[in-house]
This record gives sequence, structure tokens and C-alpha cells, in this order.
Amino acid sequence: GDSVTQMEGPVTLSEEAFLTINCTYTATGYPSLFWYVQYPGEGLQLLLKATKADDKGSNKGFEATYRKETTSFHLEKGSVQVSDSAVYFCALNPYSGAGSYQLTFGKGTKLSVIP
Amino acid sequence: GAVVSQHPSWVICKSGTSVKIECRSLDFQATTMFWYRQFPKQSLMLMATSNEGSKATYEQGVEKDKFLINHASLTLSTLTVTSAHPEDSSFYICSASQTSGETQYFGPGTRLLVL
Repeated sequence: GDSVTQMEGPVTLSEEAFLTINCTYTATGYPSLFWYVQYPGEGLQLLLKATKADDKGSNKGFEATYRKETTSFHLEKGSVQVSDSAVYFCALNPYSGAGSYQLTFGKGTKLSVIP
Repeated sequence: GAVVSQHPSWVICKSGTSVKIECRSLDFQATTMFWYRQFPKQSLMLMATSNEGSKATYEQGVEKDKFLINHASLTLSTLTVTSAHPEDSSFYICSASQTSGETQYFGPGTRLLVL
């Protein structure tokens, strides 16, 4: 079945450091890929998404590129801030067209950024 | 746009009572709504998928008689935890998808504590 594997956390970085959170997936077909962020005590917010191979999703300085050849969707940010401290979830939807919306989530990676 | 609300955000109840959680899409029509449960420091577990006007589809292992889901309109779904027990204490999160899209928009979550 479909699955998403994220790097184990927690990840602790100093402010302005470079961030990479690895995400790989297993799916049949051509899934859409997502990164969601969850701040403490809150629900999930969509951070970025990519719907086909080689697409790059970006938002708030975060980027992720859909790599079909390596089945990966790694999240990157060049300079993290304390306000980026949160849990990040990688997710996939197995169908890229309308009609199926069920998401498969990774286990989440907790990021802590210290001043 | 694409805002999803949940009410209440926090609820404490006695064992044996029932609790209703509302999920509303505020600025769009949601054909499909999802209910998730999240345990501390863990990922989201999909409980059920509900389409407006039809019965919810429950994931394996989720008791449909215990977790009653109603999706009466395109903007409202409710989850009722019947005869709640302490093991039902958790963070419940809903999400909604627009008719023609695949992105899920998440509510802020409801924290349930059963005493």
C-alpha cells in the first residue's frame, strides 16, 4: 500500500541555519505530495504541495521538489527562524486528479529552532 | 480563503456521556470531510471519510456506533463520541475538501478529555 517515510525527529537547529527534512514515499501511480505544518496546540496547515514530477512547491521560504526518480519530496529552508518551530508532516494523495482525496501521512518531524 | 473551524476547541466530560464536535467550512463548500484522531507526539490517524448526504466510510478498527458522523450539509459535519471513556481522550481534527480540488484544509482541532 501507499506509505510515507519521514526522517525521525526531533530536529534542533540554531536560528538562520539551513533546514532539510527528508521525505520519501511509496505509491502506485502518480500521487500528489504535500507538506503540512502543525504549530503547538493547533491543527494542520497546508505549507506547500506539488502535483506532478519535477514540480516545486514553495511557501514562506520553504521549498520541496517532487522527485519521481528517487520517490522523494524533501523539505528545505535556507534560514530558519524561531517561529518555524513546529511539527512538519509529509503526506501523499495517491491520485493526482479529482475524485480521491484520502491522504496518507508520515509520522511527523518536530523542529525546534533556538535563538 | 479555505478556512475550516471546529467547535469546541476544548471539552472535558465525564465518562459515559456523549460529546459532539462540529466541523464547518466557512468560505467554501466541502463535498468531503475527514475526521482524524491524533495521539500525543504521533501522526494523524484517519477515522472516517464523509460525503455530504451519504453515510460515512469508516477506517478499519474504528467503531461506527461509537463515533457517529453526520455530514448534513456542504459546510457542516459533526462527530459524536458516544458513551465516552478515558481512552477516547485525544485530539480530534477534521478536514474538508472542495468539490473540485484535492487539497484538504484542516480545522484547528478539538481536544477531548474524558474523566
